[in-house]
Order: sequence, then structure tokens, then C-alpha cells
Amino acid sequence: GEDVEQSLFLSVREGDSSVINCTYTDSSSTYLYWYKQEPGAGLQLLTYIFSNMDMKQDQRLTVLLNKKDKHLSLRIADTQTGDSAIYFCAERAGGYQKVTFGIGTKLQVIP
Amino acid sequence: NAGVTQTPKFRILKIGQSMTLQCTQDMNHNYMYWYRQDPGMGLKLIYYSVGAGITDKGEVPNGYNVSRSTTEDFPLRLELAAPSQTSVYFCASSYPDSDSYEQYFGPGTRLTVT
Repeated sequence: GEDVEQSLFLSVREGDSSVINCTYTDSSSTYLYWYKQEPGAGLQLLTYIFSNMDMKQDQRLTVLLNKKDKHLSLRIADTQTGDSAIYFCAERAGGYQKVTFGIGTKLQVIP
Repeated sequence: NAGVTQTPKFRILKIGQSMTLQCTQDMNHNYMYWYRQDPGMGLKLIYYSVGAGITDKGEVPNGYNVSRSTTEDFPLRLELAAPSQTSVYFCASSYPDSDSYEQYFGPGTRLTVT
């Protein structure tokens, strides 16, 4: 079955780059997502990448996808205190609407 | 648009009580979902619906029921609450024809069963 794994915690200094990593198991994944959850709130889509892409850049965010290793990463440039949140990696396989979420990586930004 | 709204925000239940978690979306999305989020466990899909009158089980449906009489509403019913149902519950919706199949989440309901 599908499985998405990510580390639990990452701490960076304000202004540095953050890299959050994720691995997935389903080779038929068509969409891979990064969702952000701020305290007391629901998840919000940050960015996504199609499985036929290697990289996607959106302002301070860079998503890298290594399909061979089933590895996805999210790089946040010039990390700000407002980036402190939990980041969820997720995958969607096939035409089915089911999305499998990882456990979330808590990003702590130190001023 | 208000997006996805959930009520209540917080609730404490005694073991064996029942309750309904409400979820409403005003984006005319066909697909709706219920997840539970336990600490360190990520999100688990409880039930989902692809349209009014159609529901199906997710990964962890036991102890829950849903209905979808309208496009907007997707209530989640807990019968005979148990401590194992202590969790944060999120409702979400999506539009199948969107480019990203993005799911829009409500703010969550924090439920404690004691």
C-alpha cells in the first residue's frame, strides 16, 4: 500500500534555507503535494508537483522530485518566523481522489 | 466564500455518548472528506463522498457514520464515543476537475472522549 515518510522536526535560523524531505512508496503517484498547517488551523496547500516533473519553483519555494528514489523535498529560501508550521508531504495515485499524507514535519524558525 | 466550515471547534464527550460533527462547504465541490489527526500519526481518512447521496469508507471508518444529502453538507456521526476517538477531526473538500485536485480543509474540531 501507499506510505509517505518524513522526519518529525527541523530547526533553522531566520534567513537560512530550510529543506524538508519526504519519501513515498507508491510508484504510480501522479501528484505530490506539500501542505502547511499553522497552529490551530487546517491544512493549506503550499505547492504541488506532477510526477512527470523534476523541479518546480514558486517564489521562495523549490520542490525537487527524484522519481527513481521516490524522494520529494521542499526548500524554503530565506526562512522567516512566519514559516514556522507543520509541513505535510502527500501523494495522490491514479484517478482516485484518495490522498495519503505523511506525519508532518514541524519547522521551527529561530529568530 | 467562507470555504469549509466546521462546528463545533471543541467538544468533550463522555464514553458512550453520541454526537455529530458538522461540515459545510460553499465552493460547490463534489468531493468531501473526513480525516482524523492523531499526534505523530498524520491524517487518516475516515470517510469520503464523491457527490450527494454517495459515500464510501476510508482507512479508519469503524465507530463513525456519514451522510451526504446535499452537495454542501457532510456531517460525521459518532455513535457510542470511545477514548480511542479522541482526536482532531478535519473536513475537506475538492473539485475533481481542478488542475491540482487540491483539498481545502476546515479549521478542525478537537474532540476529547473521557
